[in-house]
Amino acid sequence: DIVLTQSPLSLPVSPGEPASISCRSSQSLLHRNGDTYLDWLVQKPGQSPQLLIFLASNRASGVPDRFSGSGSGTTFTLEISRVEAEDVGVYFCMQGLQTPYTFGQGTKLEIK
Amino acid sequence: QVQLVESGGGVVQPGRSLRLSCAASGFTFSSYGMHWVRQAPGKGLEWVAVIWFDGSNKNYADSVKGRCTISRDNSKNTLYLQMNSLRVEDTAVYYCARERKGAGTCFDYWGQGTLVTVSS
Repeated sequence: DIVLTQSPLSLPVSPGEPASISCRSSQSLLHRNGDTYLDWLVQKPGQSPQLLIFLASNRASGVPDRFSGSGSGTTFTLEISRVEAEDVGVYFCMQGLQTPYTFGQGTKLEIK
Repeated sequence: QVQLVESGGGVVQPGRSLRLSCAASGFTFSSYGMHWVRQAPGKGLEWVAVIWFDGSNKNYADSVKGRCTISRDNSKNTLYLQMNSLRVEDTAVYYCARERKGAGTCFDYWGQGTLVTVSS
């Protein structure tokens, strides 16, 4: 199975400050079609997960442009340029390259 | 708008069975692959199973293989998860999720979840 390791697991951030979450994969997530099968999701308190970023760097519909995803191969980053109060939640990376699809442990973002 | 509504959760004794349902609306259900993902209380996310748009292919996590069956009825726009021989460790919120087209394997819509509690 592909193992995804996130860091940090806890991320206190002041409003307006940037935030960055790392996700490392135990193997490359590059598909033979040239796409990289790494997604980012957020689970806000009391809610279901929701898609933020797909194929490593593509924002899902309705996601603010302060969110960006980058990376390739086995190393990926989710960045929030200016954190807002509504960004509180647990952020997960997920690989969709092969079954079983797997998730990172989650990074809990909180506002200082 | 896209809606996924799970039902069928509850409290069940170890070894018993349960069938979860996910009613879909707001999109052409028969055109999309569908997944079940679960989350144990206070824990992370675990992928459970996938079924192709036409039901022709299915795949399962090792933790449920042989005990769970994913199925769908495209005429009723409904996804199912039949869970047999339930174990305490199956206790979780079960989400159904739609697989986004043309974007690898990513889940662009999720239901609100249904809680399954396995306890004697």
